[in-house]
Amino acid sequence: GAVVSQHPSWVICKSGTSVKIECRSLDFQATTMFWYRQFPKQSLMLMATSNEGSKATYEQGVEKDKFLINHASLTLSTLTVTSAHPEDSSFYICSASLQGASYEQYFGPGTRLTVT
Amino acid sequence: DAKTTQPPSMDCAEGRAANLPCNHSTISGNEYVYWYRQIHSQGPQYIIHGLKNNETNEMASLIITEDRKSSTLILPHATLRDTAVYYCIVNPGNTPLVFGKGTRLSVIA
Repeated sequence: GAVVSQHPSWVICKSGTSVKIECRSLDFQATTMFWYRQFPKQSLMLMATSNEGSKATYEQGVEKDKFLINHASLTLSTLTVTSAHPEDSSFYICSASLQGASYEQYFGPGTRLTVT
Repeated sequence: DAKTTQPPSMDCAEGRAANLPCNHSTISGNEYVYWYRQIHSQGPQYIIHGLKNNETNEMASLIITEDRKSSTLILPHATLRDTAVYYCIVNPGNTPLVFGKGTRLSVIA
């Protein structure tokens, strides 16, 4: 149980275009989802927290108008990288949580974005 | 900022126990100790978590010192597939996980 999927697993796009990444919780309902970014040889960096039906909370330094997050249902959150540039090339990972006394975050397999 | 300190890398012989240490001297009373691992180019995988008591599951054991200022993750019989970066994270369980640099474990045949 507690499986999280991401689509696509990798994508190459041209500079200036937008890319949408989907994150789905397959066998549970996730009221909260998280988006992380990971550059080569670095650790995961939290970008934003997404709650179903409300606006996402972005970490300091993350542009909300560039990284659009939508959490329209309890099983789906999307991250859209708008007007992508080569410096946005990274590994984007989502996670979803099961709330409880001490919840665990379950991570998706990640999406590798390359902007040319 | 991560509230944990881990060695940057460790080696372990295949079939032997891998003991990964973690210092979290500023841990609060309501914070759990979580362990995740990340195999190259994959999303992090949950391993185990605990509050005060030692914990064991099918993947690993977690030993937490009595003062809770440090812990050790034990993989009892390491295999080549256990080669990964292991992250120790302290978290109250209701906030996003913050990842430090972790320990890169290399299991050697």
